[in-house]
Amino acid sequence: QKEVEQNSGPLSVPEGAIASLNCTYSDRGSQSFFWYRQYSGKSPELIMSIYSNGDKEDGRFTAQLNKASQYVSLLIRDSQPSDSATYLCATWDNTNAGKSTFGDGTTLTVKP
Amino acid sequence: NAGVTQTPKFQVLKTGQSMTLQCAQDMNHNSMYWYRQDPGMGLRLIYYSASEGTTDKGEVPNGYNVSRLNKREFSLRLESAAPSQTSVYFCASSGGTDQPQHFGDGTRLSIL
Repeated sequence: QKEVEQNSGPLSVPEGAIASLNCTYSDRGSQSFFWYRQYSGKSPELIMSIYSNGDKEDGRFTAQLNKASQYVSLLIRDSQPSDSATYLCATWDNTNAGKSTFGDGTTLTVKP
Repeated sequence: NAGVTQTPKFQVLKTGQSMTLQCAQDMNHNSMYWYRQDPGMGLRLIYYSASEGTTDKGEVPNGYNVSRLNKREFSLRLESAAPSQTSVYFCASSGGTDQPQHFGDGTRLSIL
């Protein structure tokens, strides 16, 4: 079992809809979680960090964390074609200091 | 605002040739990382350096060596390139555990 699992894609939503991306993790000691966006042929870029249970909002993006369920999600409201990309969920390995763990990514397509 | 700089951006090698990929960051980050990403796949950690003077293996270290030259620079060496090492290589840095990673633009490496 991978340490970070993301819902398998691809995910397709119409423009203006809410896109929901999900991630589960196996290490109950994980404390920090990150969502990165990666456009085709480009490098990953950070879009959200979340450290506490609950919701964190930044513009059209909302990250949700539930440590009891070991679940983190990313909601994109009013999805735009420019949101079409692969979204990567990441955390840190709690037993190996400095070691990162990424999910395989979910590819989102927003159709006009 | 250079961030993480990788050189070269593209390279074609013949099987058996050696090469060093260079990475430098100007954010005074303690931790640095090398990933590879094959087409349509997620990031796989090759090696990481949690702090200056330390390096550790990631998921796929075979066929690679690394050097943390100083706090700014972290190089990746292929001693005898193989076609299976054809990939996009990303370098990243982080201020430490629980901080996000910042990625370079990547090196696209083809081995014939």
